[in-house]
Amino acid sequence: EDQVTQSPEALRLQEGESSSLNCSYTVSGLRGLFWYRQDPGKGPEFLFTLYSAGEEKEKERLKATLTKKESFLHITAPKPEDSATYLCAVSLDNTDKLIFGTGTRLQVFP
Amino acid sequence: DGGITQSPKYLFRKEGQNVTLSCEQNLNHDAMYWYRQDPGQGLRLIYYSQIVNDFQKGDIAEGYSVSREKKESFPLTVTSAQKNPTAFYLCASIPSGRGDNEQFFGPGTRLTVL
Repeated sequence: EDQVTQSPEALRLQEGESSSLNCSYTVSGLRGLFWYRQDPGKGPEFLFTLYSAGEEKEKERLKATLTKKESFLHITAPKPEDSATYLCAVSLDNTDKLIFGTGTRLQVFP
Repeated sequence: DGGITQSPKYLFRKEGQNVTLSCEQNLNHDAMYWYRQDPGQGLRLIYYSQIVNDFQKGDIAEGYSVSREKKESFPLTVTSAQKNPTAFYLCASIPSGRGDNEQFFGPGTRLTVL
């Protein structure tokens, strides 16, 4: 069964304390992996798409990486405004649907 | 501004009532999706449509219905057959039906059953 697992479920960081969020996947054929940010009560906001192992993308304090089994979202020197739930999703070769993980709820304290 | 709009933002339903959630996009996207989000769970796909007048069931379609009469509109009806409809509903769209395009999401509708 195709599956996406995110860890940890929740993460509390001090402002400036770098860390990483994990998204592991077991799927039959990966077409792409997506990272989204979701603020409470709002729709997810697109961050990155990764297509092949070894690919990396950056945006401000965020960097996403991809291997054949997992993706990491690295947060460097986070600020309180980075607090949100980060969602990972994968698209598969034989379908037009996305499979979402349950998300990591990040809280950054000043 | 181009984007996806959902209305209403909050919706309250009595037991046994059908309610319709609106989703409109002016991005000229071909494919549209409906998801349900519950606390502690990932987004679950209800229905999706890749072209006008065509749609497919997702993983949790029971108790829901949709229509796609116009490219820009994809309303979702939550019927009385849906036993636990209280949730946050999200609409999304992509330029084509290909799964390698990032999905753009609307702001969501929170449905509460009284």
